[in-house]
Amino acid sequence: GENVEQHPSTLSVQEGDSAVIKCTYSDSASNYFPWYKQELGKRPQLIIDIRSNVGEKKDQRIAVTLNKTAKHFSLHITETQPEDSAVYFCAASGGTNAGKSTFGDGTTLTVKP
Amino acid sequence: DAGVIQSPRHEVTEMGQEVTLRCKPISGHNSLFWYRQTMMRGLELLIYFNNNVPIDDSGMPEDRFSAKMPNASFSTLKIQPSEPRDSAVYFCASSLQGSSYEQYFGPGTRLTVT
Repeated sequence: GENVEQHPSTLSVQEGDSAVIKCTYSDSASNYFPWYKQELGKRPQLIIDIRSNVGEKKDQRIAVTLNKTAKHFSLHITETQPEDSAVYFCAASGGTNAGKSTFGDGTTLTVKP
Repeated sequence: DAGVIQSPRHEVTEMGQEVTLRCKPISGHNSLFWYRQTMMRGLELLIYFNNNVPIDDSGMPEDRFSAKMPNASFSTLKIQPSEPRDSAVYFCASSLQGSSYEQYFGPGTRLTVT
């Protein structure tokens, strides 16, 4: 089945700096890669996603890049703000087990004011 | 729409008791997922349904766990008998069709088994 690895597990940045979180996946048939943000005590919520026919997608301060050859994708947050502090999860789906999403272990991002 | 609704929000029970968690997906969504989240194991998919039919239950820990979806607007996750290691936050999520679309998570049920 699909295996998703996420790095780093924790990330601390100064307000205004950029943050990058990386994920690798194993199933070359996976075609949908969402990123979820989970604030403390809250539910995960989608912040951005990318499909396999696109290499990059941007939404204001957030961008995601996908390298299908290398089977990795990354989340980029620019001009970080304290409210970006949360746990971020990547996921991969649509592969061999088409209905199933496999999540990474999460990255705890702390943005220091 | 009210989003995905879960009940109860908190459940405290004693070991050996039966626990039933409930979920109402977003109207019109065809897929429903049950997840368990712990510090040690992260976010684990337990089971997912497509059009009310269980598709993959390989994540269900053991026979003590069972899930049903009798209709498009309701699902249950039952643990019988419960054990302290079942303590976790259980999320239900729904999506338009399968996992290749955004999953909308419910607020979760925090289960504590003493």
